[in-house]
This record gives sequence, C-alpha cells and structure tokens, in this order.
Amino acid sequence: GIQVEQSPPDLILQEGANSTLRCNFSDSVNNLQWFHQNPWGQLINLFYIPSGTKQNGRLSATTVATERYSLLYISSSQTTDSGVYFCAVRKGSSNTGKLIFGQGTTLQVKP
Amino acid sequence: GAGVSQSPSNKVTEKGKDVELRCDPISGHTALYWYRQSLGQGLEFLIYFQGNSAPDKSGLPSDRFSAERTGGSVSTLTIQRTQQEDSAVYLCASSLEWGSHQPQHFGDGTRLSIL
Repeated sequence: GIQVEQSPPDLILQEGANSTLRCNFSDSVNNLQWFHQNPWGQLINLFYIPSGTKQNGRLSATTVATERYSLLYISSSQTTDSGVYFCAVRKGSSNTGKLIFGQGTTLQVKP
Repeated sequence: GAGVSQSPSNKVTEKGKDVELRCDPISGHTALYWYRQSLGQGLEFLIYFQGNSAPDKSGLPSDRFSAERTGGSVSTLTIQRTQQEDSAVYLCASSLEWGSHQPQHFGDGTRLSIL
C-alpha cells in the first residue's frame, strides 16, 4: 500500500521561530490533508491540499503532487501551535475514501 | 450539528465486555469513516460507509469489530469481548460525499480504556 513518511518526527522551537514540516508519499494521490492534533487530542483540519499552495494566517502549505511531497510552513510560531501534525493521503487509484496517515511530527513551542 | 459528534467521550470497561461507540456526522455528509489511534501512534483506518453502498470493512482488525450506519446518518461501532489491545481513541470522520475532492472532518473521538 501507499507509504506516508513525515519529517522530522520531533521538533522543538522557541516562540517566534519558523519551521517547515515535510510529508513524502510513495504513490499518486488525489487527496492530501494536514491536521493538527492539539494536546487535548482534537484533530483539527488545517489544509485540504492535493496540489498547489494555500495560506491561512501564519500557516501555509504546498503540495507538489508530481514529486510526491507536501510541505507545511509555520511562521512566527506560538505556544498554541504545540501538538502533533499529521499528513494524510488518499491513493489516486483507490476506490475507497480512506485516508492513510503518516506517523506525525510532534512540535513543542517553548515560550 | 455544526461538527461531527461522538459519544461517549470516554469509556472505561472490563476486559470481555461489549462496547458501543456512536458517531453523528455533519448534516448532509454522505460518507462516514471510523479510525483508531493507539497510544503514540498515527491513525489507522477501520471502516467506511458511503450512502447505500456496501461498506469498506477492510480495516477492521478482527471479527469482534463491527459497525452499522442506520438511515444513512448515525453510525455505531461495536466491539465484542473487548481485549486490552482494543484500548485506543476511536475517531469518526465524515465528508460531503465520497470522492477525491472532499476533505474529511473529524469528531473529538471516544477514548476507550479496557481494564
């Protein structure tokens, strides 16, 4: 099946710093989502981005589908950005809607 | 409702008991998904419903797990004869329709602990 790899697995930042999280996938996809799981376990939709670039406030994401990767940018990080960031994809040729998740990047932002 | 609603939010039960977890999707969403997140792990797909089509059960880990979706809306995930390895957070998601261009929206999950 399709493999989803996220890097780095762990990241510690000082408040105000910028960061880039990466998601590599092993096959063509037609759905890619980035999620933030906060310390209370809630899974928050950040971006639906099977291709192209999107921005939402301090966050932006870029997916280059032909090269099978996506990047999540966090600028001017805040302590509330802490948590786990997941990338999830749906295989392009799949006849089911299920998402395959990466193992996540755990981000800690220190004040 | 405004989002995907799951109940209960927490469930503690003894090994060997049966449990039922409920999911109420976003109004109008025809696709519904169940995932499981074990401690410190990513999310693992369990089962998927789309309208009146046969569900995709390919992710169910054993025959102790089953799910139904009544009336195309509310879904119940049932685990029979629970085992300690069933302890996890069970997350439900819904999307507007099955297809490649519909994001999935997740509920807050049910945290299941098997003693």
